Amino acid sequence: GENVEQHPSTLSVQEGDSAVIKCTYSDSASNYFPWYKQELGKGPQLIIDIRSNVGEKKDQRIAVTLNKTAKHFSLHITETQPEDSAVYFCAASYNKLIFGAGTRLAVHP
Amino acid sequence: NAGVTQTPKFQVLKTGQSMTLQCAQDMNHNSMYWYRQDPGMGLRLIYYSASEGTTDKGEVPNGYNVSRLNKREFSLRLESAAPSQTSVYFCASSEGRSAGRLNQPQHFGDGTRLSIL
Repeated sequence: GENVEQHPSTLSVQEGDSAVIKCTYSDSASNYFPWYKQELGKGPQLIIDIRSNVGEKKDQRIAVTLNKTAKHFSLHITETQPEDSAVYFCAASYNKLIFGAGTRLAVHP
Repeated sequence: NAGVTQTPKFQVLKTGQSMTLQCAQDMNHNSMYWYRQDPGMGLRLIYYSASEGTTDKGEVPNGYNVSRLNKREFSLRLESAAPSQTSVYFCASSEGRSAGRLNQPQHFGDGTRLSIL
């Protein structure tokens, strides 16, 4: 069945460094790829999304890249700050939205 | 603008008890969803409503029922709670209806933390 694998499960970086989270998906027909940030005690919040007709999208310090041939997409956070610490989820959608298991990012001052 | 509001925020039940989780959105969205979140397993879809008046099963529907009361409200009912249903439950909504919902962002509430003893 459809599956989204997300790596790494935990990531620890120093403030100011970059962080990269990678996801692979199984359904080649997937055409919508959102990323969510979940802070402790809160619901997931959309931070960026990309559609299959675009290879890269950027919003300030956050960027997402999509490689449809390899069926993987990545989240890049530059100049990380302590408030970036959270759990990040990727997802892929075709006839349903499938979430990855999440990455816990810790940014140390 | 409240977005998606879930009640209650916390609940403890005994095995066999029933309860209803409430969800309301004020964004005039057509589609609504119920997910459960368990450690290390991401979000799994329980039920969804792709338009007012319709509901469909998701990935893990057993033990649950839903009601799309109107365009704003979508409730989740546990008829006979079991310890395996201990989880955090999230309601979400999106603008599109039917298949159009699939390529649009979902907006989440802050969850209901449910413990079943």
